[in-house]
Amino acid sequence: AQTVTQSQPEMSVQEAETVTLSCTYDTSENNYYLFWYKQPPSRQMILVIRQEAYKQQNATENRFSVNFQKAAKSFSLKISDSQLGDTAMYFCAFPNFGNEKLTFGTGTRLTIIP
Amino acid sequence: ETGVTQSPTHLIKTRGQQVTLRCSSQSGHNTVSWYQQALGQGPQFIFQYYREEENGRGNFPPRFSGLQFPNYSSELNVNALELDDSALYLCASSRRTSGKETQYFGPGTRLLVL
Repeated sequence: AQTVTQSQPEMSVQEAETVTLSCTYDTSENNYYLFWYKQPPSRQMILVIRQEAYKQQNATENRFSVNFQKAAKSFSLKISDSQLGDTAMYFCAFPNFGNEKLTFGTGTRLTIIP
Repeated sequence: ETGVTQSPTHLIKTRGQQVTLRCSSQSGHNTVSWYQQALGQGPQFIFQYYREEENGRGNFPPRFSGLQFPNYSSELNVNALELDDSALYLCASSRRTSGKETQYFGPGTRLLVL
């Protein structure tokens, strides 16, 4: 069974700074993919970024990028030029092969300070 | 906006009652998954429906049941409500093609059991 670990329950940074959220996972699969989701106070779970395990290149979406280390089973999210709207819970998620069941980490509460 | 809608947004029930939560999938999506998110935790997978058939179930008792309709909308039914069923219930839809689909979430239904 997959496990997902987020070791930072809370983080806070000043607006415009860069912050990195950590995630580690455990799986016996070789061909998989990973997600970061964002859940603001509005509760809507919003997809931030997706990484394919077979790709060596790290995924990037505007100010969001990942550092994917397959051998280390590490999948961290970097937010550059942080904005007040980035304040949210951030979840790392791993889909189960076959039915896409997502296993989520416990989340990191990120606060951007004006 | 993900195109996934849920109703109602909030609900209050008493222990022992039954509840039905509804989800409308994003257009073109044929798979829906339901998750339970207790306060301060990551979402937990309840079950998934693909083309009106259950396709995977998490560690939830049989009093949690579901339906998917021909238009791919879905219901989550919970019988004999318990206090611990108080949570945010999220549905997520996807379009099954290669088995590596991204799930898009609705805004959730907040259930309070008194």
